[in-house]
Amino acid sequence: EPEVTQTPSHQVTQMGQEVILRCVPISNHLYFYWYRQILGQKVEFLVSFYNNEISEKSEIFDDQFSVERPDGSNFTLKIRSTKLEDSAMYFCASSETPGEEAYEQYFGPGTRLTVT
Amino acid sequence: AQSVTQPDIHITVSEGASLELRCNYSYGATPYLFWYVQSPGQGLQLLLKYFSGDTLVQGIKGFEAEFKRSQSSFNLRKPSVHWSDAAEYFCAPMFSGGYNKLIFGAGTRLAVHP
Repeated sequence: EPEVTQTPSHQVTQMGQEVILRCVPISNHLYFYWYRQILGQKVEFLVSFYNNEISEKSEIFDDQFSVERPDGSNFTLKIRSTKLEDSAMYFCASSETPGEEAYEQYFGPGTRLTVT
Repeated sequence: AQSVTQPDIHITVSEGASLELRCNYSYGATPYLFWYVQSPGQGLQLLLKYFSGDTLVQGIKGFEAEFKRSQSSFNLRKPSVHWSDAAEYFCAPMFSGGYNKLIFGAGTRLAVHP
C-alpha cells in the first residue's frame, strides 16, 4: 500500500540554525500539507500546498517557514532560524485530486524536531 | 467560530468492554468529519470518515461512528475493545472553505486494562 514517508525521523538542531524536513507524498497525490504537534498538545495545521503554491497557511506559518516541491517527488518544510518553541513532531500529509477522495489525508510517520 | 471538542482527555476501559469516544463541533453547517488514531511513537492513521449520506459509518479495526446533526456530534464507538486499541484518538473536522485543512481536537487517550 502506498504511504507517505518522511526523513529524518529525528532531527536535533541548535537554536538559530536552519532545518529542512523532507517528505515524499503518495505518488499520484496533488495536495500536500504540513502539521505539527508540540509534545502533549494537539495536532495543528501549518500549511497546505497545491499546484506549486500555498493554498492556505496558519498563523504559526510565519516568515521563518517555507515550503517547496523541488522535484516531482519531494515536499519540504524549511525553518530558517529555529527557535526553542519550534520543537515538535512535524507531520506531512497528502491527498488526491478534487472529489471526496481529496479530503482523505494520508499522514507520514513524522519527524521529531528538537531545538536546543 | 469553528471549533471541535473532545471532552474526555483520558479514558480507561477493560479489554472486551464497549467504548464510546465523544466529539462535538461548532459550525454553521455540516463539516466533513474524520477520526484518526495515533499509536505511541507512530503517525496518524485514518479510522473512518463522514461526508454525507448514511449517518452511521464503518471504519477500520472494527470502529464505527455516528453523525448526529442535532447534537453536532460524531462519536466513535467500538463494541469490544482489544488491548491493541490503546492509543490516542483524534476527531478532526474539515470545515468548508478551509482548503482541506483538518482541525484536530485535543485527543482522547485510551488505556485498556487486561
